[in-house]
Amino acid sequence: SQELEQSPQSLIVQEGKNLTINCTSSKTLYGLYWYKQKYGEGLIFLMMLQKGGEEKSHEKITAKLDEKKQQSSLHITASQPSHAGIYLCGAVRYFGNEKLTFGTGTRLTIIP
Amino acid sequence: GAGVSQTPSNKVTEKGKYVELRCDPISGHTALYWYRQSLGQGPEFLIYFQGTGAADDSGLPNDRFFAVRPEGSVSTLKIQRTERGDSAVYLCASSFRAGRTSQDTQYFGPGTRLTVL
Repeated sequence: SQELEQSPQSLIVQEGKNLTINCTSSKTLYGLYWYKQKYGEGLIFLMMLQKGGEEKSHEKITAKLDEKKQQSSLHITASQPSHAGIYLCGAVRYFGNEKLTFGTGTRLTIIP
Repeated sequence: GAGVSQTPSNKVTEKGKYVELRCDPISGHTALYWYRQSLGQGPEFLIYFQGTGAADDSGLPNDRFFAVRPEGSVSTLKIQRTERGDSAVYLCASSFRAGRTSQDTQYFGPGTRLTVL
């Protein structure tokens, strides 16, 4: 089974609507990253969360890390076509461990 | 400034051939990572360099895979006797490591799509 589970696997949302993507870890996290990927492109860094209860926002995207540091949510407000893509969460398990473990991603489609 | 660059963007090869994939990290970044992404999956860690040395190569699938970073900047991922199962997008990332006091964000390149026929 995956160490990081993302839900939903895919999401189709009408432009202007809000949406939430979840990332659940089977183990405690040291840090949690959110990236966005478009087809044929690399990963674009969105946000990094490290402290339990932490919340960060960038433009219309907000990410939270729960207190027990095993789940994160990404919320998009008033979605736009530019938000379409694959959203990936990546986990750092402990301080000094450099490798990221990724979830399988959530494919977001925005329809007009 | 310039981001992480990878060459080639696409590589098609035949089973059994040798391939080299190149990564140019962001200038000043001392840490460099290689990941592999299969269709419909998230990236999987292969190897991490701090400077010239491989600090963690636990993700390399077998001894056909090897990576070098001789001068602490550009890195080359080398795959010998390629197999069809090696087909994937190979992603490189770099981060600035100012010391072991904080986690540094990994910035990714566009990837090299490897197809083994």
